[in-house]
Amino acid sequence: GAGVSQSPSNKVTEKGKDVELRCDPISGHTALYWYRQSLGQGLEFLIYFQGNSAPDKSGLPSDRFSAERTGGSVSTLTIQRTQQEDSAVYLCASSPTEPYNEQFFGPGTRLTVL
Amino acid sequence: AQSVAQPEDQVNVAEGNPLTVKCTYSVSGNPYLFWYVQYPNRGLQFLLKYITGDNLVKGSYGFEAEFNKSQTSFHLKKPSALVSDSALYFCAVRAKDTGRRALTFGSGTRLQVQP
Repeated sequence: GAGVSQSPSNKVTEKGKDVELRCDPISGHTALYWYRQSLGQGLEFLIYFQGNSAPDKSGLPSDRFSAERTGGSVSTLTIQRTQQEDSAVYLCASSPTEPYNEQFFGPGTRLTVL
Repeated sequence: AQSVAQPEDQVNVAEGNPLTVKCTYSVSGNPYLFWYVQYPNRGLQFLLKYITGDNLVKGSYGFEAEFNKSQTSFHLKKPSALVSDSALYFCAVRAKDTGRRALTFGSGTRLQVQP
C-alpha cells in the first residue's frame, strides 16, 4: 500500500515568511510524528499526535512552530516568521497504535530559508 | 531522559567482510530499540527492532542486532557487507514503561563499503 507522503518535497522561502508542510500518513495509522533533521545532525523530535490530539509537543523549538491534525489523518506543520536556523529536512512518520510498533517515515520536506 | 550514542561517525569495511555499527543507549526502565537506514535523498527505512524476548534480532537485508542489557548496547551487524549497504544508519530508543512515544535517535553512522 501507499507509504507516508509529504509535500512539498522542497520549499525555499525568505526569512520572515510563513510556511506550511503537509504529511499524509499511512491509512489507519493513529500515531503521527514530526521530526527535524538538520545538516550534519541526527533527528530531533518535534511533536506527536495520537488521533487528532497532541499529547507531546515537547520538541517544538519555539512558539513559531505549530502543528495540527484533522480527521485523524493529514497533518500540517506550520512555521511562522521563518528564520535561517529553521532550514532543515522535516520528516513525518506514522505508526499503528501499539507503542512497540516501528514508525514509518515519509521522504521529508527540505526547507531552505534564505 | 533518554539518549543514544553512536560513537563512530563513519565505518569503512570491504565488501564481503562482516560489519558492525555500534549503538549504546540510556533510558529509564526497559527499552524498545530500533535501527533505521537512510539512503541519499530518501526518508528513513526501518531495519529491525528489539521489543522483548530473544536478544538476537534479525531484520531486513540480512542485518541483525544483539541486545545486551548489561552493556546497554544494541549493535547492528551483518556477516557479509555489500556495496549497496553503503548508507547512513541510525539507532533509536524509547522507554517501554513511560507514556513518551517519541523516538530518540543517535547522530548516525555512515557506512562505507568498498568494492
